[in-house]
Amino acid sequence: EDQVTQSPEALRLQEGESSSLNCSYTVSGLRGLFWYRQDPGKGPEFLFTLYSAGEEKEKERLKATLTKKESFLHITAPKPEDSATYLCAVLANAGKSTFGDGTTLTVKP
Amino acid sequence: DVKVTQSSRYLVKRTGEKVFLECVQDMDHENMFWYRQDPGLGLRLIYFSYDVKMKEKGDIPEGYSVSREKKERFSLILESASTNQTSMYLCASSRTVNQPQHFGDGTRLSIL
Repeated sequence: EDQVTQSPEALRLQEGESSSLNCSYTVSGLRGLFWYRQDPGKGPEFLFTLYSAGEEKEKERLKATLTKKESFLHITAPKPEDSATYLCAVLANAGKSTFGDGTTLTVKP
Repeated sequence: DVKVTQSSRYLVKRTGEKVFLECVQDMDHENMFWYRQDPGLGLRLIYFSYDVKMKEKGDIPEGYSVSREKKERFSLILESASTNQTSMYLCASSRTVNQPQHFGDGTRLSIL
């Protein structure tokens, strides 16, 4: 059975304090890994897709990396507007995505 | 930008009622999905569809059915609503299976 574990569950940072979110996975044949951002009362919003180990993607203060067992979402010098829940999802050979429970990030000014 | 629209943001229904949740996407995507999201359980796939009139069970299909008569519309049906179906329901679409999903803003459904 495909499994996705995100850590930590919650993360509180001061504005400007860089950190990383982790997504560990076990899947039968990884076809892709997706990162999403979800704001309260909204649906998840797509951030990045990673398809193979060693791949990296960047967007503003966010950088996603992928290994054979996990992915990291690095947040550099975060701002309060980066506060949200970040979800990781893995797409397996069966064609279905499995989501993690998310990391809720709070950035204090 | 892809737009996925869910017909209701909030819905309150009674136990035993038949409930319809509607979802429409405007980007001609092949794939559409229904999830429910519960605290501590994450997003769980209920049903998905790869094409018109085609449907596949997800991880938790019991108590639900779906309909896809047109490419842009995917409906979730609760045949006889029960209190354990109180949840946030999210619809999503994607162009292909390998591409990211685009989500609507969800329907918060309460079954009393």
